[in-house]
Amino acid sequence: NAGVTQTPKFQVLKTGQSMTLQCAQDMNHEYMSWYRQDPGMGLRLIHYSVGAGITDQGEVPNGYNVSRSTTEDFPLRLLSAAPSQTSVYFCASSYTDVGTGNSPLHFGNGTRLTVT
Amino acid sequence: GDSVTQMEGPVTLSEEAFLTINCTYTATGYPSLFWYVQYPGEGLQLLLKATKADDKGSNKGFEATYRKETTSFHLEKGSVQVSDSAVYFCALSDRSSYKLIFGSGTRLLVRP
Repeated sequence: NAGVTQTPKFQVLKTGQSMTLQCAQDMNHEYMSWYRQDPGMGLRLIHYSVGAGITDQGEVPNGYNVSRSTTEDFPLRLLSAAPSQTSVYFCASSYTDVGTGNSPLHFGNGTRLTVT
Repeated sequence: GDSVTQMEGPVTLSEEAFLTINCTYTATGYPSLFWYVQYPGEGLQLLLKATKADDKGSNKGFEATYRKETTSFHLEKGSVQVSDSAVYFCALSDRSSYKLIFGSGTRLLVRP
């Protein structure tokens, strides 16, 4: 049982390049999400999904796209990288609604992205 | 909108010292409250939670009580260890929401 797996662990991009951050979970979780972590700002929600075929925007969605074609995978696409997207990105999943506290978020180990 | 405010770090303590990390929140409804911990090089993991007023969450010697009257959820531990060195995040979630709102995190350094 691997949990939440993120790839790559590190990535350097030039401004304007595109790339996809991969996220996969093997816990049959319906809910998946992407956060970015920046110094002094905690974690901010980018996009989330409550099931295959369903996605929604979080707090900071601009510049990012997501899709959810399977329960297991939730890739995050950077369309045209900008230096402001330099951050650590975390994928997280949960069995169901996180609001009640009955199902905690399970995090991957993160992807450190640098945009030059 | 809903928000979480944590004390700024780093907090530096000697082993066996008492720990308090302050957390206050602003929410329109009756949120669930959480503490997550992030060890170096890892993702966050749930430390403890409380889902209603006056609930006390506890785990691994850490405790936090949901105080609706002061909108607070302070994290405490009676005797910290070097292995507790990490970043601690306070978070809230509205009961009908699929979103967790995190504070900015507080780094704890425990010296031997």
